[in-house]
Amino acid sequence: QVQLVESGGGLVKPGGSLRLSCAASGFTFSDYYMSWIRQAPGKGLEWVSYISSSGSTIYYADSVKGRFTISRDNAKNSLYLQMNSLRAEDTAVYYCARENSYYGSGTHYLWFDPWGQGTLVTVSS
Amino acid sequence: EIVLTQSPGTLSLSPGERATLSCRASQSVSSSYLAWYQQKPGQAPRLLIYGASSRATGIPDRFSGSGSGTDFTLTISRLEPEDFAVYYCQQLRAFGQGTKVEIK
Repeated sequence: QVQLVESGGGLVKPGGSLRLSCAASGFTFSDYYMSWIRQAPGKGLEWVSYISSSGSTIYYADSVKGRFTISRDNAKNSLYLQMNSLRAEDTAVYYCARENSYYGSGTHYLWFDPWGQGTLVTVSS
Repeated sequence: EIVLTQSPGTLSLSPGERATLSCRASQSVSSSYLAWYQQKPGQAPRLLIYGASSRATGIPDRFSGSGSGTDFTLTISRLEPEDFAVYYCQQLRAFGQGTKVEIK
């Protein structure tokens, strides 16, 4: 079945670095855009970054631009998020999600499905 | 930047009642980019509705979505015990702040 499994979360000090991974299975990974979305404790969802299917197009939320780097390895069916200069406000559960994008009747549709189970990143001294 | 505002923040209802959740965009958006998700404690969000009104695979028909322009609605016709959760709307890569549906 279609599945996304994140790993790499943990406790890190402010200013530190962490690399998250997302392993995909059950679908042709190289056909899809992928996103990282985070959720601070008790808060809502915040989109963080996306990468195109080939990796040639990348966007970041302003809150992480210049500190986070998204990448993918289509041969390994894997998505990554390198997080540097971490701050307390980066504390969150980080989800990877597949972007579903298709054109129907001349209209472009976009939604996120599936999502991984999430990995917790805690930034604290 | 489009801002999505969901209301109410919390909806207190009893099983069997109808739930109506609102998502308002700060400017007109394409309904094809409007989706709804359900999230239960400790779980990842689950897709319910995409394209404003199309149910995702396996989603019961008590869930329905509607709307256009700046105003969108998720309706749960008769609440089941498993429907008490937080619901988020999404437009492209922006999310609303969520509506919690709790048991009254």
